[in-house]
Amino acid sequence: AQSVTQLDSHVSVSEGTPVLLRCNYSSSYSPSLFWYVQHPNKGLQLLLKYTSAATLVKGINGFEAEFKKSETSFHLTKPSAHMSDAAEYFCVVLIVGFQKLVFGTGTRLLVSP
Amino acid sequence: DAGVIQSPRHEVTEMGQEVTLRCKPISGHDYLFWYRQTMMRGLELLIYFNNNVPIDDSGMPEDRFSAKMPNASFSTLKIQPSEPRDSAVYFCASSLRGATVLLDTEAFFGQGTRLTVV
Repeated sequence: AQSVTQLDSHVSVSEGTPVLLRCNYSSSYSPSLFWYVQHPNKGLQLLLKYTSAATLVKGINGFEAEFKKSETSFHLTKPSAHMSDAAEYFCVVLIVGFQKLVFGTGTRLLVSP
Repeated sequence: DAGVIQSPRHEVTEMGQEVTLRCKPISGHDYLFWYRQTMMRGLELLIYFNNNVPIDDSGMPEDRFSAKMPNASFSTLKIQPSEPRDSAVYFCASSLRGATVLLDTEAFFGQGTRLTVV
């Protein structure tokens, strides 16, 4: 079965410091992986997606993620956090053949001044 | 395009009442998804449609839940009768690519309907 595990429910950083949100996946196939962000009382917005074209994927707002098959990981990073990055982040895998997105449990990013 | 539009944004109802949530997908998208978000369970896929036809409803929690898509521009999720444990945020999403083009799929989400059943 295809699934994702987000290792941290909360991550706290200071503004200007790097961000690392961890995600591990489980998949029998070459996975399609996504990161979505949800700001308070808002819908979900796609940050970036991995579809096997390149292992380092750049997304919006300075975020990027690296697909590492050997580690079954797809961690989200950003060199320097902004206050506006405070939100909940979801790692997502696409179920092959069924067009279903399966969400991780989410990581809440807190950014302090 | 205005994106995926859901209504209402907030709904408060009494236990036992019927609740209907509405969704207008992005024009031209051929997939539509209903998700439920709770603190306990996170985001769960309830049901999805392809070209107005329900493909997988295995996530629908029980018979009190039903979803329809009478045409390409409208879908409803109905709960009857509602119960307090149905309180959640319900998201609708749509995507353009079909199952043959999985690698280029992006789902666009509405802003959700926050349902409170008292």
